[in-house]
Amino acid sequence: GQSLEQPSEVTAVEGAIVQINCTYQTSGFYGLSWYQQHDGGAPTFLSYNALDGLEETGRFSSFLSRSDSYGYLLLQELQMKDSASYFCAVMGNTGFQKLVFGTGTRLLVSP
Amino acid sequence: DTAVSQTPKYLVTQMGNDKSIKCEQNLGHDTMYWYKQDSKKFLKIMFSYNNKELIINETVPNRFSPKSPDKAHLNLHINSLELGDSAVYFCASSQQGAGELFFGEGSRLTVL
Repeated sequence: GQSLEQPSEVTAVEGAIVQINCTYQTSGFYGLSWYQQHDGGAPTFLSYNALDGLEETGRFSSFLSRSDSYGYLLLQELQMKDSASYFCAVMGNTGFQKLVFGTGTRLLVSP
Repeated sequence: DTAVSQTPKYLVTQMGNDKSIKCEQNLGHDTMYWYKQDSKKFLKIMFSYNNKELIINETVPNRFSPKSPDKAHLNLHINSLELGDSAVYFCASSQQGAGELFFGEGSRLTVL
């Protein structure tokens, strides 16, 4: 099976940098994704890491270490609109596509 | 032009009733999914279809029956609704092997 752990809540102020960690257990591994979900909205894709290292997309970066079964999402220059839930999700090597989500981290950005 | 659209957005119904949710994607993807998000915001995969064929069924009660008439549509029918079925149901699609899922806006089901 697959399981993922992430902190339940993180708080930060505007302009700051925040890191949301994710550790996972899976019987196989294709990649780790990150999704953002605002209250009442749909999850939207942020990034995908299949290989070790850092992927940067604007203010958001995502890191993966396959040997440590660990990844993180780094959000820089935080804005109020970044207040949302962030989910890591792992794609295991089951022979077909299956994305299993973590429990989500609620990020609260204050002025 | 909405990429993944699902209807209805809201359903309120009584226990024991049957309801359906429809989903359509215009992205040309070959894989579609149903996810259930409970009140604690846990997103759990229910079903996955690839080119109209069921490939994942995550131990969902057989009161839930998905149907994919073609690769652009995936519907979900629920029989004999129970209180515990109250949740937001998300449809999603992706290209096979891609790490990015595109989600619909969700259908909030409330069972009274």
